[in-house]
Amino acid sequence: GEDVEQSLFLSVREGDSSVINCTYTDSSSTYLYWYKQEPGAGLQLLTYIFSNMDMKQDQRLTVLLNKKDKHLSLRIADTQTGDSAIYFCAENSGYSTLTFGKGTMLLVSP
Amino acid sequence: NAGVTQTPKFRILKIGQSMTLQCTQDMNHNYMYWYRQDPGMGLKLIYYSVGAGITDKGEVPNGYNVSRSTTEDFPLRLELAAPSQTSVYFCASSPRTRGGETQYFGPGTRLLVL
Repeated sequence: GEDVEQSLFLSVREGDSSVINCTYTDSSSTYLYWYKQEPGAGLQLLTYIFSNMDMKQDQRLTVLLNKKDKHLSLRIADTQTGDSAIYFCAENSGYSTLTFGKGTMLLVSP
Repeated sequence: NAGVTQTPKFRILKIGQSMTLQCTQDMNHNYMYWYRQDPGMGLKLIYYSVGAGITDKGEVPNGYNVSRSTTEDFPLRLELAAPSQTSVYFCASSPRTRGGETQYFGPGTRLLVL
């Protein structure tokens, strides 16, 4: 079955760039997503990318997609302490369902 | 719009008890989902529904039941609670789109089974 892998933890200093990586296995996925979960809250969609795109930029967020290697990354420029959260990569594994990775905890220190 | 609301926020159950986790959305979304999130893990899909009267199993459906009698409500039923069901449960909904489906999540229900 499909599986989505992420590194578990990333620590950066405020003002640095953060890069969170993800690999997925379902080559038929048409959309890939990044969700953010703050402590005690539900998941919030940050951005998504269509599979025929290589890159998508949205303000401080840049998503890169390498379909050949099934690799997805999320870059956060000028990382702030408010960006500290868990970030989940997800792929649409079926007509209407998503498969999530285990999440990467981003810790931003002042 | 309130979005996706879930009740209760937190519950402690004894082994063998039953309960219903409530989920309501006011966005007129056809698709609704139930996930569980265990500590340090991603989300696992329990059940989902593509419209009123239609439900289907996800990855981890055992020990749960759902119903979808209206577009707005998608309750999740635990019949015989077990410690393995201790988790955080998230309900989500999404519109019927051609792609790029955004799932909107509720705040979660934290369940402890002792």
